[in-house]
Amino acid sequence: GAVVSQHPSRVICKSGTSVKIECRSLDFQATTMFWYRQFPKQSLMLMATSNEGSKATYEQGVEKDKFLINHASLTLSTLTVTSAHPEDSSFYICSASPTANYGYTFGSGTRLTVV
Amino acid sequence: AQSVTQLDSQVPVFEEAPVELRCNYSSSVSVYLFWYVQYPNQGLQLLLKYLSGSTLVKGINGFEAEFNKSQTSFHLRKPSVHISDTAEYFCAVSHKAAGNKLTFGGGTRVLVKP
Repeated sequence: GAVVSQHPSRVICKSGTSVKIECRSLDFQATTMFWYRQFPKQSLMLMATSNEGSKATYEQGVEKDKFLINHASLTLSTLTVTSAHPEDSSFYICSASPTANYGYTFGSGTRLTVV
Repeated sequence: AQSVTQLDSQVPVFEEAPVELRCNYSSSVSVYLFWYVQYPNQGLQLLLKYLSGSTLVKGINGFEAEFNKSQTSFHLRKPSVHISDTAEYFCAVSHKAAGNKLTFGGGTRVLVKP
């Protein structure tokens, strides 16, 4: 149980365009989902907490206008990278959990390359 | 605030040898502790977790970890590694006061040599 699906796994886009990444909880409802960014050979950096039916909570230093988060249902959160630039190229991962002490399940990640 | 330190960024080990990955945390409140494994270009997979109770926690793939409150540590061990254990390992903590957000250590890359 507690499966999280993330799509797409890889995306290449042109500079200036926007890219949407989806994160779905397949067998549980998630009022909260988390979005992380990971640079090569580094740890995960929490970008924002996605809250169903309300605004996302962004970590300090994360541009909310660049990284738009929508959590419209209990099983789907989306991260849209707007006006992407090469420096936005990274590995983005989402996570969710049925309960706080269950242990978070992670999506398989999205490799974004902006050219 | 909570923080996690993984003391070793890289651990080379021979196949069938034991391995220990060190993790220390700092927090002013009780925390939940986790170990995750990440294979290249993949998400994270939960190896094990400590919530409460027995300080020795057994996880998947033959891994175990011991919670030591006095030393604020949660070291991960495996008595005999396989080539397939080559991966990145992350220690993480969370607690209610922080909205159950996970705070990760910097990761330890385990390279199993034949």
